[in-house]
Amino acid sequence: GAVVSQHPSRVICKSGTSVKIECRSLDFQATTMFWYRQFPKKSLMLMATSNEGSKATYEQGVEKDKFLINHASLTLSTLTVTSAHPEDSSFYICSAFSPGLVWNNEQFFGPGTRLTVL
Amino acid sequence: QKEVEQNSGPLSVPEGAIASLNCTYSDRGSQSFFWYRQYSGKSPELIMSIYSNGDKEDGRFTAQLNKASQYVSLLIRDSQPSDSATYLCAVNIILFQGAQKLVFGQGTRLTINP
Repeated sequence: GAVVSQHPSRVICKSGTSVKIECRSLDFQATTMFWYRQFPKKSLMLMATSNEGSKATYEQGVEKDKFLINHASLTLSTLTVTSAHPEDSSFYICSAFSPGLVWNNEQFFGPGTRLTVL
Repeated sequence: QKEVEQNSGPLSVPEGAIASLNCTYSDRGSQSFFWYRQYSGKSPELIMSIYSNGDKEDGRFTAQLNKASQYVSLLIRDSQPSDSATYLCAVNIILFQGAQKLVFGQGTRLTINP
């Protein structure tokens, strides 16, 4: 149980285009989903916290107009990288959390999406 | 001061020995602590969680928590080459109105030498 999927797993796009990444909780309802970014040889950096039905909360330094997050249902959150540039190339990972699933604040991570912007 | 600090390594340990990974955190109110293993190009995988002071053992892994010293550690006994990975320490930070977030350390690269 507690499986989180991401799609696509890998995407290559041209500079200036927009890319949408989906994060799904497959066997549970996630009240909260988190989006992380990881550059090579660096740790995970939280970009934003997404609660179902409300606006996402962005971390300091993350542009909300560039990284659009939608959490329209309890099983799906999307991250859209708008007008992508080469510096946006990174490994994007989502995680899901459900307080009813576990009591210990554990987050369940998706497999990640490798974005390369040419 | 960073919220979660780890020695980035690399840490090199011979096969069969004990690998010791350390982590300190700044938020005294934190209650949940996690160790993740991450292979290159893959997503983090949870290997241990700990919430109370003391030791918690699971197979070859032992997590240790000392809230007074704000210190978490992970011991890997009988290290295997397959344990070679980056180990991430993560601490759950409680924000206002019940919101929370997981803050990661920079990770320690561990290499087990056959």
